[in-house]
Amino acid sequence: QSVLTQPPSASGTPGQRVTISCSGSSSNIGSNYVYWYQQLPGTAPKLLIYRNNQRPSGVPDRFSGSKSGTSASLAISGLRSEDEADYYCAVWDDSLSGPLFGGGTKLTVL
Amino acid sequence: QVQLVQSGAEVKKPGASVKVSCKASGYTFTGYYMHWVRQAPGQGLEWMGRINPNSGGTHYAQNFQGRVTLTRDTSISTAYLDLSRLRSDDTAVYFCARGGEGATFDPWGQGTLVTVSS
Repeated sequence: QSVLTQPPSASGTPGQRVTISCSGSSSNIGSNYVYWYQQLPGTAPKLLIYRNNQRPSGVPDRFSGSKSGTSASLAISGLRSEDEADYYCAVWDDSLSGPLFGGGTKLTVL
Repeated sequence: QVQLVQSGAEVKKPGASVKVSCKASGYTFTGYYMHWVRQAPGQGLEWMGRINPNSGGTHYAQNFQGRVTLTRDTSISTAYLDLSRLRSDDTAVYFCARGGEGATFDPWGQGTLVTVSS
């Protein structure tokens, strides 16, 4: 049971906007940057968002991140079929002195 | 380009040990932490630990204390994960990932499937 809570699933139709939430606590999201990873089927995870809302080069601006208090969100606008993947939030936890992953959200494009 | 290439799949019996390698290229190996993360079939990501390739210093997740050992060979820019006393629930894909600030893992290795079965 992860201490970072994500919904197990999310879905949307092409062109829609979807959001995925990540809920934590004061020792992790409340005091550190949040990161998001995209894992396409059968592949290794890929860094999607860093420092709450920054995109690495090559990541489309359809992907955006935000953080407020002890929660964070990943938004995907203009949904495309190739966005169908598992999405994980991650954050450093000061109590554990190590990183935590959320349980992951499986995004289905209908 | 920055790349991490891991060793191939392994099949082990319960109680045995496994050693997975991760060869880095395209950057200064000693300049970044190397993390290990595993993913059981159909499950999420679980952080196992990290090594400072420069000093050799390590930090392990509580769940793996006493069973995991991370090492490195700076002469060949390679990090190693050693997991002992394997159980069936250790069956998973094991990833190495270059560390950065906070929970930055970028890039990742391609993953190594370790199957534990009698």
